[in-house]
Amino acid sequence: KNEVEQSPQNLTAQEGEFITINCSYSVGISALHWLQQHPGGGIVSLFMLSSGKKKHGRLIATINIQEKHSSLHITASHPRDSAVYICAVQLNTGNQFYFGTGTSLTVIP
Amino acid sequence: KAGVTQTPRYLIKTRGQQVTLSCSPISGHRSVSWYQQTPGQGLQFLFEYFSETQRNKGNFPGRFSGRQFSNSRSEMNVSTLELGDSALYLCASSFQAFSYEQYFGPGTRLTVT
Repeated sequence: KNEVEQSPQNLTAQEGEFITINCSYSVGISALHWLQQHPGGGIVSLFMLSSGKKKHGRLIATINIQEKHSSLHITASHPRDSAVYICAVQLNTGNQFYFGTGTSLTVIP
Repeated sequence: KAGVTQTPRYLIKTRGQQVTLSCSPISGHRSVSWYQQTPGQGLQFLFEYFSETQRNKGNFPGRFSGRQFSNSRSEMNVSTLELGDSALYLCASSFQAFSYEQYFGPGTRLTVT
């Protein structure tokens, strides 16, 4: 049983396209994180959300607590956005952290 | 500010041995969390330390342990290594707790033969 489900697993886009990655979870959470992992392993935290919407440059993250769903959008995608995007949730009991299996994004010039 | 550092970056060990990995957090950060990443299981939470105390723990056997020092540096130890322990071990630091934004280190790649 996966507490966190991501879709799609793999995504290929042309440069400039609008991209959406989805994350659904089945547990009560206090926060949801979107992470980016480049080849070689380095992970960068993109967003931490507990409600609403956040924007950073070309990246937008939204969360709907009632529907237990979050989306990560990338506008005007660029080859440097190619990476694995991982959704992670922290339980509202505070003592566990669950990860999705990741979405592998390839942006073609 | 210097980022999160982990040492060593690569390590090869034999089954049955033990290993200690080190993590130095960003200056001023008091929370350090450890994660294991494998191709089969993906990312999994190991444990979190705050002010030298383990606050949270994932579902790993007791062979996995850790500690945090007064300067917030943290170590994790794996005893009696198994082949399945081969993984990328990542640590992350945050200001207060892992519900805050986390900053990840580059990871230690452990290979058990």
